[in-house]
Amino acid sequence: QVQLQESGPGLVKPSETLSLTCTVSDYSARSGYYWGWIRQPPGKGLEWIGTIHLSGSTYYNPSLNSRVTISSDTSKNQFSVRLSSVTAADTAVYYCARGGGSVGVDFDFWGQGTLVTVSS
Amino acid sequence: QSALTQPASVSGSPGQSITISCTGTSSDVGGYNFVSWYQQHPGKVPKLIIYEDNKRPSGVSNRFSGSKSGNTASLTVSGLQAEDEADYYCCSFAGSRIFVLFGGGTKLTVL
Repeated sequence: QVQLQESGPGLVKPSETLSLTCTVSDYSARSGYYWGWIRQPPGKGLEWIGTIHLSGSTYYNPSLNSRVTISSDTSKNQFSVRLSSVTAADTAVYYCARGGGSVGVDFDFWGQGTLVTVSS
Repeated sequence: QSALTQPASVSGSPGQSITISCTGTSSDVGGYNFVSWYQQHPGKVPKLIIYEDNKRPSGVSNRFSGSKSGNTASLTVSGLQAEDEADYYCCSFAGSRIFVLFGGGTKLTVL
């Protein structure tokens, strides 16, 4: 059973950079999978942020592409997301998830989610 | 790229069947066999219930089934139960440039 846990600040000021880390249990389970970030504004639907593969390939939502960076640290069983120049519209629950399947869009294991509020 | 289109809400009585549609384009839903569906109860984490158009993960009830015709995917829930009341989201691979699209979500109410 793969477990994921998000961590990072729950409050970020406007125009600053949001940074979150996802720690993944069972290192062997990381191989061959994709690892994604998905967010959900309060009362709204799911929005894909981006995905990273252990090969180093990254894929980003075009609407966020200029502001988002996803990276991984395999030595720590972690992958991270950074979102720059945040505004109130970036307030959301942020989830990390494992992407299964041949193209990594079957998000079969999720973290519990962490609420990030953008406010001064 | 717009989100996939889902009805905002559907409803049904216990024991009945309902279908939720998810409409995209030939560049996403219709172009690949990579549509997945997620169930999300209030305050809970989304749960994968269908992947690759019509496959069920281990442990998911066979009352949930997925299908696709052209650019529209569908989730059918048969034998509705009170516990099925939740939000449902479709998701599709959309090629190497867009990669992932989610639908806007559908609230299922069990009357």
